[in-house]
Amino acid sequence: AQSVTQPDIHITVSEGASLELRCNYSYGATPYLFWYVQSPGQGLQLLLKYFSGDTLVQGIKGFEAEFKRSQSSFNLRKPSVHWSDAAEYFCAVAGVTGGGNKLTFGTGTQLKVEL
Amino acid sequence: DVKVTQSSRYLVKRTGEKVFLECVQDMDHENMFWYRQDPGLGLRLIYFSYDVKMKEKGDIPEGYSVSREKKERFSLILESASTNQTSMYLCASSPGTSGISGELFFGEGSRLTVL
Repeated sequence: AQSVTQPDIHITVSEGASLELRCNYSYGATPYLFWYVQSPGQGLQLLLKYFSGDTLVQGIKGFEAEFKRSQSSFNLRKPSVHWSDAAEYFCAVAGVTGGGNKLTFGTGTQLKVEL
Repeated sequence: DVKVTQSSRYLVKRTGEKVFLECVQDMDHENMFWYRQDPGLGLRLIYFSYDVKMKEKGDIPEGYSVSREKKERFSLILESASTNQTSMYLCASSPGTSGISGELFFGEGSRLTVL
């Protein structure tokens, strides 16, 4: 069964500092990987996704993520964090079953941005 | 804009009551999902549906049922609500059953409190 681990429950960074959120996955075949963001009181929004090809993927809001098969990781990065990036971030992996869209989510990382 | 609408943002129910959570999407998506979100546990899949009148159990279906009579509507039913079902419930939809698109479109969530 697929699974996702986000080892950091909370992270605090200063505005303008760089950010890296960690994600490790477990899946038997080539994974389909995603990062979602949830702002307070909102549903989740897709930041970026990896299906195949280039292991460095670009997303919205200046985020990027790098797929590293050898480390089973898909870490999210941003060079300079803005106060509006404060939110909860979820990594997810898709299993190829049935309709193919069954996502398994990690437990999330809450990002706090200090001004 | 794509839209997933959950009929109730906040509900308070009593133990033993029957609870209906409604979700409607206007994107003509085939796939619809119900997740439960709890602090420290992330999102856990309750049920999903790939087509009208079709449903499949997710990871935590116990105590829940679903109904999908029309393509655009997916209802989550708690036959007899219990306090451990106090949670945030998120509905999502996604297009197609061929391959993986990966992007789920989420509603804003329904926060249910069972007293």
